[in-house]
Amino acid sequence: DAGVTQSPTHLIKTRGQQVTLRCSPKSGHDTVSWYQQALGQGPQFIFQYYEEEERQRGNFPDRFSGHQFPNYSSELNVNALLLGDSALYLCASSPGSGANVLTFGAGSRLTVL
Amino acid sequence: TQLLEQSPQFLSIQEGENLTVYCNSSSVFSSLQWYRQEPGEGPVLLVTVVTGGEVKKLKRLTFQFGDARKDSSLHITAAQPGDTGLYLCAGKLASYGKLTFGQGTILTVHP
Repeated sequence: DAGVTQSPTHLIKTRGQQVTLRCSPKSGHDTVSWYQQALGQGPQFIFQYYEEEERQRGNFPDRFSGHQFPNYSSELNVNALLLGDSALYLCASSPGSGANVLTFGAGSRLTVL
Repeated sequence: TQLLEQSPQFLSIQEGENLTVYCNSSSVFSSLQWYRQEPGEGPVLLVTVVTGGEVKKLKRLTFQFGDARKDSSLHITAAQPGDTGLYLCAGKLASYGKLTFGQGTILTVHP
Protein backbone atom coordinates (compact mmCIF):
# COMPACT_ATOMS: atom_id res chain seq x y z
CA ASP A 1 0.00 0.00 0.00
CA ALA A 2 1.62 3.24 -1.19
CA GLY A 3 -0.23 5.44 1.30
CA VAL A 4 -0.86 9.04 0.28
CA THR A 5 1.22 10.20 -2.67
CA GLN A 6 1.85 13.87 -3.44
CA SER A 7 3.55 15.54 -6.38
CA PRO A 8 5.70 17.41 -6.97
CA THR A 9 7.80 17.14 -3.81
CA HIS A 10 9.46 20.51 -4.32
CA LEU A 11 8.82 23.42 -6.64
CA ILE A 12 9.82 27.04 -7.05
CA LYS A 13 7.56 29.70 -8.52
CA THR A 14 7.63 33.47 -8.81
CA ARG A 15 5.07 35.95 -7.55
CA GLY A 16 1.93 36.13 -9.68
CA GLN A 17 2.31 32.66 -11.12
CA GLN A 18 -0.11 29.78 -10.67
CA VAL A 19 0.61 26.34 -9.23
CA THR A 20 -1.14 22.96 -9.23
CA LEU A 21 -0.36 20.32 -6.62
CA ARG A 22 -1.57 16.74 -6.87
CA CYS A 23 -2.58 14.08 -4.38
CA SER A 24 -3.45 10.40 -4.65
CA PRO A 25 -5.20 9.12 -1.53
CA LYS A 26 -4.51 5.92 0.33
CA SER A 27 -6.27 2.88 -1.13
CA GLY A 28 -9.78 2.63 0.28
CA HIS A 29 -9.98 6.31 1.23
CA ASP A 30 -12.51 8.57 -0.51
CA THR A 31 -12.01 11.91 1.26
CA VAL A 32 -9.11 14.31 0.74
CA SER A 33 -8.18 17.30 2.89
CA TRP A 34 -5.53 19.90 2.12
CA TYR A 35 -3.43 21.74 4.68
CA GLN A 36 -0.84 24.53 4.52
CA GLN A 37 2.06 24.30 6.96
CA ALA A 38 4.53 27.12 7.54
CA LEU A 39 7.99 26.14 8.79
CA GLY A 40 7.87 25.00 12.43
CA GLN A 41 4.12 25.61 12.70
CA GLY A 42 1.03 23.43 12.78
CA PRO A 43 -0.90 22.69 9.58
CA GLN A 44 -3.75 25.08 8.68
CA PHE A 45 -6.88 23.56 7.10
CA ILE A 46 -7.53 24.75 3.54
CA PHE A 47 -10.47 22.58 2.41
CA GLN A 48 -11.86 19.07 2.22
CA TYR A 49 -13.23 17.18 -0.79
CA TYR A 50 -15.69 14.32 -0.67
CA GLU A 51 -17.74 12.90 -3.55
CA GLU A 52 -16.03 15.38 -5.89
CA GLU A 53 -17.35 18.39 -3.98
CA GLU A 54 -15.78 20.87 -1.59
CA ARG A 55 -17.42 20.03 1.75
CA GLN A 56 -15.61 22.29 4.20
CA ARG A 57 -13.31 25.27 3.81
CA GLY A 58 -10.88 27.02 6.10
CA ASN A 59 -10.00 30.71 6.18
CA PHE A 60 -8.21 30.89 2.82
CA PRO A 61 -8.91 33.30 -0.07
CA ASP A 62 -10.52 32.30 -3.33
CA ARG A 63 -7.06 32.13 -4.92
CA PHE A 64 -6.98 28.67 -3.38
CA SER A 65 -9.18 26.21 -5.25
CA GLY A 66 -9.35 22.49 -5.66
CA HIS A 67 -10.83 19.57 -7.43
CA GLN A 68 -11.50 15.91 -6.73
CA PHE A 69 -11.67 13.36 -9.52
CA PRO A 70 -13.85 10.22 -9.76
CA ASN A 71 -10.86 8.07 -8.68
CA TYR A 72 -10.71 10.19 -5.45
CA SER A 73 -7.43 11.87 -6.37
CA SER A 74 -7.31 15.61 -5.87
CA GLU A 75 -5.62 18.80 -7.01
CA LEU A 76 -4.92 22.03 -5.17
CA ASN A 77 -4.59 25.15 -7.32
CA VAL A 78 -3.22 28.46 -6.13
CA ASN A 79 -3.47 31.52 -8.39
CA ALA A 80 -1.63 34.85 -8.23
CA LEU A 81 1.05 33.48 -5.91
CA LEU A 82 2.30 35.66 -3.07
CA LEU A 83 5.55 35.36 -1.14
CA GLY A 84 3.46 34.33 1.88
CA ASP A 85 2.18 31.27 0.03
CA SER A 86 5.59 29.66 0.51
CA ALA A 87 4.91 26.61 2.69
CA LEU A 88 4.60 22.85 2.85
CA TYR A 89 1.27 21.77 1.39
CA LEU A 90 -0.02 18.57 2.93
CA CYS A 91 -2.68 16.27 1.60
CA ALA A 92 -4.48 13.93 3.98
CA SER A 93 -6.94 11.19 3.07
CA SER A 94 -9.55 9.43 5.17
CA PRO A 95 -12.27 6.78 4.77
CA GLY A 96 -15.22 9.17 4.83
CA SER A 97 -15.64 12.87 5.60
CA GLY A 98 -16.28 12.28 9.29
CA ALA A 99 -13.51 9.80 9.89
CA ASN A 100 -11.01 10.49 12.65
CA VAL A 101 -8.22 8.60 10.95
CA LEU A 102 -6.22 10.88 8.65
CA THR A 103 -3.27 9.62 6.67
CA PHE A 104 -0.92 12.36 5.52
CA GLY A 105 1.36 12.50 2.54
CA ALA A 106 4.91 13.83 2.78
CA GLY A 107 3.82 17.14 1.28
CA SER A 108 4.78 19.47 -1.56
CA ARG A 109 7.27 22.17 -0.59
CA LEU A 110 6.40 25.39 -2.47
CA THR A 111 8.80 28.30 -2.56
CA VAL A 112 7.60 31.60 -4.04
CA LEU A 113 10.32 34.07 -5.04
CA THR B 1 -6.08 33.53 18.08
CA GLN B 2 -5.30 29.82 17.99
CA LEU B 3 -8.18 27.46 18.77
CA LEU B 4 -5.64 25.07 20.28
CA GLU B 5 -2.70 26.49 22.24
CA GLN B 6 0.30 24.22 22.69
CA SER B 7 3.03 24.73 25.24
CA PRO B 8 5.90 24.85 25.34
CA GLN B 9 6.66 25.83 21.75
CA PHE B 10 10.24 24.53 22.04
CA LEU B 11 11.68 21.87 24.33
CA SER B 12 15.35 20.83 24.44
CA ILE B 13 16.23 18.08 26.90
CA GLN B 14 18.80 15.39 27.61
CA GLU B 15 18.24 11.70 26.96
CA GLY B 16 16.54 10.03 29.90
CA GLU B 17 14.58 13.07 31.09
CA ASN B 18 10.81 13.20 31.33
CA LEU B 19 8.67 15.86 29.65
CA THR B 20 5.08 16.99 29.28
CA VAL B 21 3.49 18.89 26.40
CA TYR B 22 0.19 20.66 26.91
CA CYS B 23 -2.66 21.42 24.53
CA ASN B 24 -5.32 23.85 25.78
CA SER B 25 -8.49 25.42 24.47
CA SER B 26 -11.57 27.26 25.67
CA SER B 27 -13.67 25.08 23.35
CA VAL B 28 -15.02 21.58 23.90
CA PHE B 29 -13.80 18.97 21.44
CA SER B 30 -15.57 15.81 20.30
CA SER B 31 -12.17 14.19 19.84
CA LEU B 32 -8.53 15.13 20.11
CA GLN B 33 -5.48 13.63 18.47
CA TRP B 34 -1.72 13.79 18.84
CA TYR B 35 0.62 13.57 15.85
CA ARG B 36 4.40 13.43 15.46
CA GLN B 37 6.09 14.89 12.42
CA GLU B 38 9.68 14.49 11.32
CA PRO B 39 11.46 16.78 8.84
CA GLY B 40 10.45 16.06 5.25
CA GLU B 41 7.50 13.93 6.30
CA GLY B 42 3.82 14.41 6.96
CA PRO B 43 2.34 14.13 10.46
CA VAL B 44 1.82 10.58 11.74
CA LEU B 45 -1.07 9.84 14.08
CA LEU B 46 -0.03 8.70 17.57
CA VAL B 47 -3.36 8.51 19.39
CA THR B 48 -7.01 9.59 19.35
CA VAL B 49 -8.90 10.34 22.58
CA VAL B 50 -12.66 10.85 22.65
CA THR B 51 -13.83 10.50 26.26
CA GLY B 52 -13.28 13.13 28.96
CA GLY B 53 -10.69 11.92 31.46
CA GLU B 54 -9.43 9.24 29.08
CA VAL B 55 -5.81 8.12 29.47
CA LYS B 56 -4.00 6.16 26.78
CA LYS B 57 -0.48 4.77 26.85
CA LEU B 58 1.79 4.02 23.92
CA LYS B 59 5.04 2.55 25.25
CA ARG B 60 6.78 5.52 26.98
CA LEU B 61 4.11 8.01 25.87
CA THR B 62 1.04 8.78 28.02
CA PHE B 63 -1.83 10.82 26.63
CA GLN B 64 -4.61 12.34 28.71
CA PHE B 65 -7.84 14.06 27.65
CA GLY B 66 -9.18 16.59 30.15
CA ASP B 67 -12.42 15.86 32.00
CA ALA B 68 -14.14 18.74 30.24
CA ARG B 69 -12.67 17.75 26.83
CA LYS B 70 -11.03 21.18 26.47
CA ASP B 71 -7.41 20.18 27.02
CA SER B 72 -4.95 17.35 26.66
CA SER B 73 -1.42 16.45 27.64
CA LEU B 74 1.34 14.25 26.28
CA HIS B 75 3.89 12.90 28.75
CA ILE B 76 7.07 11.16 27.60
CA THR B 77 9.05 9.10 30.09
CA ALA B 78 12.81 8.63 29.69
CA ALA B 79 13.03 10.51 26.41
CA GLN B 80 15.30 9.15 23.69
CA PRO B 81 16.94 10.91 20.70
CA GLY B 82 14.50 9.06 18.45
CA ASP B 83 11.65 11.02 20.10
CA THR B 84 12.95 14.22 18.47
CA GLY B 85 10.35 15.84 16.23
CA LEU B 86 7.40 18.20 15.99
CA TYR B 87 4.49 17.13 18.21
CA LEU B 88 1.07 18.37 17.18
CA CYS B 89 -2.27 18.22 18.90
CA ALA B 90 -5.38 18.42 16.73
CA GLY B 91 -9.05 18.42 17.54
CA LYS B 92 -12.52 18.30 16.06
CA LEU B 93 -15.28 20.49 17.49
CA ALA B 94 -17.88 18.20 15.92
CA SER B 95 -17.73 14.64 14.62
CA TYR B 96 -17.95 15.80 11.00
CA GLY B 97 -15.98 18.98 11.54
CA LYS B 98 -12.58 19.89 10.23
CA LEU B 99 -9.47 18.83 12.10
CA THR B 100 -7.80 21.91 13.64
CA PHE B 101 -4.14 21.78 14.68
CA GLY B 102 -2.22 23.52 17.40
CA GLN B 103 0.98 25.35 16.51
CA GLY B 104 3.13 22.44 17.59
CA THR B 105 5.95 21.70 20.03
CA ILE B 106 9.44 21.17 18.64
CA LEU B 107 11.16 18.57 20.82
CA THR B 108 14.90 17.96 20.68
CA VAL B 109 16.38 15.14 22.75
CA HIS B 110 20.17 15.27 23.03
CA PRO B 111 22.19 12.05 23.51
